[in-house]
Amino acid sequence: NAGVMQNPRHLVRRRGQEARLRCSPMKGHSHVYWYRQLPEEGLKFMVYLQKENIIDESGMPKERFSAEFPKEGPSILRIQQVVRGDSAAYFCASSPRTSGLADTQYFGPGTRLTVL
Amino acid sequence: GENVEQHPSTLSVQEGDSAVIKCTYSDSASNYFPWYKQELGKGPQLIIDIRSNVGEKKDQRIAVTLNKTAKHFSLHITETQPEDSAVYFCAASSGNTPLVFGKGTRLSVIA
Repeated sequence: NAGVMQNPRHLVRRRGQEARLRCSPMKGHSHVYWYRQLPEEGLKFMVYLQKENIIDESGMPKERFSAEFPKEGPSILRIQQVVRGDSAAYFCASSPRTSGLADTQYFGPGTRLTVL
Repeated sequence: GENVEQHPSTLSVQEGDSAVIKCTYSDSASNYFPWYKQELGKGPQLIIDIRSNVGEKKDQRIAVTLNKTAKHFSLHITETQPEDSAVYFCAASSGNTPLVFGKGTRLSVIA
């Protein structure tokens, strides 16, 4: 039973380029969460999605960031016109369809984004 | 919103000793408290969680205690081993709000 998959594991972009991070949830999980982790910091919630729906995007920056979880395929976190401050580890987590935000969340290995 | 404080930020113990990490939270509506272990270059791994209807939960060498009145919860690791060395994160959620994480505790188990 495969865990949460994320790719790429490492991504290097120059300022102004776009970054696309992909997340495939665990089998049977229909909820996906994205978090950002800065060095020596905890994880900060960004967005919570179900298939074809954004449930909570209260942690998402208002500009340049977007997320989707289409009916088919992985969830995508998209960062447009990246800046150096976007350099961080981005983690995806998934949970089964039970009680919403208090579900047990299982994390992927993360994508480490470096902006030059 | 919820605020989670975690202490200590670093902890060194001798192999075989116990380690205790403490977290406090601010939102009395929080009812779910997971603990994650993160090794270098990897994603957080859930090691134990507790919901507010119980005061303590144990899984082999790991236990978590919850004091809802004082709004704090703790992770206890007994008989520590070198492979327990990692960064540990606590988190809290009310079920209607996202998980809020503490800043982490770097545990070093010295052989």
